[in-house]
Amino acid sequence: EIVLTQSPDSLSLSPGERATLSCRATQTVINNFLAWYQHQPGQPPRLLIFDASVRATGIPDRFSGSGSGTEFTLTISRLEPEDFALYYCQHYGDSPLPFGGGTKVEIK
Amino acid sequence: QVQLVQSGAEVKEPGAAVKISCKASGFNLNAYYIHWVRQVPGQGPEWMGLKVPGSANYARQFRGRVTMTRDTSTSTVYMELSSLRSDDTAVYYCVRGRFGHHASYFDFWGQGTLVTVSS
Repeated sequence: EIVLTQSPDSLSLSPGERATLSCRATQTVINNFLAWYQHQPGQPPRLLIFDASVRATGIPDRFSGSGSGTEFTLTISRLEPEDFALYYCQHYGDSPLPFGGGTKVEIK
Repeated sequence: QVQLVQSGAEVKEPGAAVKISCKASGFNLNAYYIHWVRQVPGQGPEWMGLKVPGSANYARQFRGRVTMTRDTSTSTVYMELSSLRSDDTAVYYCVRGRFGHHASYFDFWGQGTLVTVSS
């Protein structure tokens, strides 16, 4: 079973800055079946990226995903106030479908 | 628009069972798979499984305790978890995944149902 580890646990940044979030898998992620979600308090998670780099419908282009193999990155190019949230990665190559432990992006 | 509307919060005693409903609208339920995911406070989400016509695929840690069902006549899916323990206290989500794939990313999520297990 693949285990996903996200780093850092939290990130303190200012609006307008760049955020770089990491997701590391214990085994190679086949076909880049890796997704990213944003989770705001009191709301359900929202799909941002699937297939490691494809933005979901309606997601602004300041969000980008990259990586392959066991190392993946979510980049937010210029943080907007609404981007301060929790972010999770998820592998969907085969069940079970693990999620990472999350990275919290906080306002500095 | 696509909606997954779940039933309301529940408080259960240890050992009891809980059944949560999830009504789909704005899309053809037969063209997608609905999974269940839960999130214990302070932890990442945890996939529980899915029920599709003719089969079910449950995460190992829930087998024997979880039952997922579908009622296509009302576009509603259900998740029942039995023998509840305090560590089952979590928000439970129904989520939409790709048709034909037991493994999927999830493009729409229900609003979540808080289940509190306490004596």
